[in-house]
Amino acid sequence: SSELTQDPVVSVALGQAVRITCQGDSLRSYYASWYQQKPGQAPVLVIYGENNRPSGIPDRFSGSSSGDTASLTITGAQAEDEADYYCHSRDSSGDHSYVFGTGTKVTVL
Amino acid sequence: QVQLVQSGAEVKKPGASVKISCEASGYTFSSYYIHWVRQAPGQGPEWMGMINPSGGSTKSAQKFQGRVTLTRDMVMDVAYMDLSSLRSEDTAVYYCARGRGGSSLYYYYYMDVWGRGTTVTVSS
Repeated sequence: SSELTQDPVVSVALGQAVRITCQGDSLRSYYASWYQQKPGQAPVLVIYGENNRPSGIPDRFSGSSSGDTASLTITGAQAEDEADYYCHSRDSSGDHSYVFGTGTKVTVL
Repeated sequence: QVQLVQSGAEVKKPGASVKISCEASGYTFSSYYIHWVRQAPGQGPEWMGMINPSGGSTKSAQKFQGRVTLTRDMVMDVAYMDLSSLRSEDTAVYYCARGRGGSSLYYYYYMDVWGRGTTVTVSS
């Protein structure tokens, strides 16, 4: 099955921009979706498709993709954005399964 | 509003089975897949499988094949996940989530509504 690799930890100063990347072969065939997870809570969808935000997600969250890498950018990070972020996509190996990324802990300084 | 309500926490002994329910409301249950995702303590989410409520077809991750059974009740709009032969490594929070997808240049799949999770503890 495919793997999606993320940097374990990323820090960002309050109000600055941060990019989180997700790399994997399946991203050459499928767009990633991105989830925010805070301690003790269920994941929350923040980006899906080419660059779509669900209702209620601030427009400081955006997504992009190139080759085998998907990116989530937070422009003007807020204290409440401190969380774990996971990418996700369908597996491209042909068995119709799905895979989550290894996760990135975002710390807002 | 659209929501998925899961059953309560479970404590099981090794070798036992657990069955978790996920009740959907606020939308047409038959129109969207239900995915099951688990998260062990300190770990990331792990996809377990999915069910199409409309026809009942299922797909599970290779890791869980033979141990997981996904079913649904179309009258009550409830999805179920049954995991057998439990071991300590199955201790985790189990989530159900509504699956959606679309396409532009590429296809994409996502889970837009999640249950709050069911904690399963496997301990002798």
